[in-house]
Amino acid sequence: GENVEQHPSTLSVQEGDSAVIKCTYSDSASNYFPWYKQELGKRPQLIIDIRSNVGEKKDQRIAVTLNKTAKHFSLHITETQPEDSAVYFCAASIETGRRALTFGSGTRLQVQP
Amino acid sequence: DAGVIQSPRHEVTEMGQEVTLRCKPISGHDYLFWYRQTMMRGLELLIYFNNNVPIDDSGMPEDRFSAKMPNASFSTLKIQPSEPRDSAVYFCASSLNPGQENEQYFGPGTRLTVT
Repeated sequence: GENVEQHPSTLSVQEGDSAVIKCTYSDSASNYFPWYKQELGKRPQLIIDIRSNVGEKKDQRIAVTLNKTAKHFSLHITETQPEDSAVYFCAASIETGRRALTFGSGTRLQVQP
Repeated sequence: DAGVIQSPRHEVTEMGQEVTLRCKPISGHDYLFWYRQTMMRGLELLIYFNNNVPIDDSGMPEDRFSAKMPNASFSTLKIQPSEPRDSAVYFCASSLNPGQENEQYFGPGTRLTVT
């Protein structure tokens, strides 16, 4: 089955700096890669996703890049703000096959004001 | 739509008792997922359904766990008998069909504590 590895497990940055979280996956058939943000005591919520026919996707201060050859994808947050502090999870799945997401272990991002 | 609804939000029970967690997916979503979240193991898929039929239950830890989806608007996850190591947050999520919007929408979760 799919295995998703995520690092770092914790990340502390100063407000205004950029943050990068990286994930690798094992199943070359995976073609859907979402990122979820989970604030303390809350549910995971989708913040951005990318499909395998796209190399990069941006949404305001958030961007995701995908390298299918190397089987890794990354989340980039620019101009970080204290409200970006949360746990971020990457995931992978096959859109037209087994649709369950395999999640990474999570990255706790702390943005210091 | 109210989103995915889960009940109860918190459950405290004693070891050996039966626990039933409930989920109402978003109307029109054909897929329903049950996840468990712990500090040690992160977010784990337990089981998922498509059109009320269980598709993959390989994540169900053992026979003490069972899940049903009697209709498109309701699912249950049952633990019998419960054990302290079952303490976790259990999330239900739902999504649309392949080829359409793919996002999984999570419910608020049920925090289970087994003493």
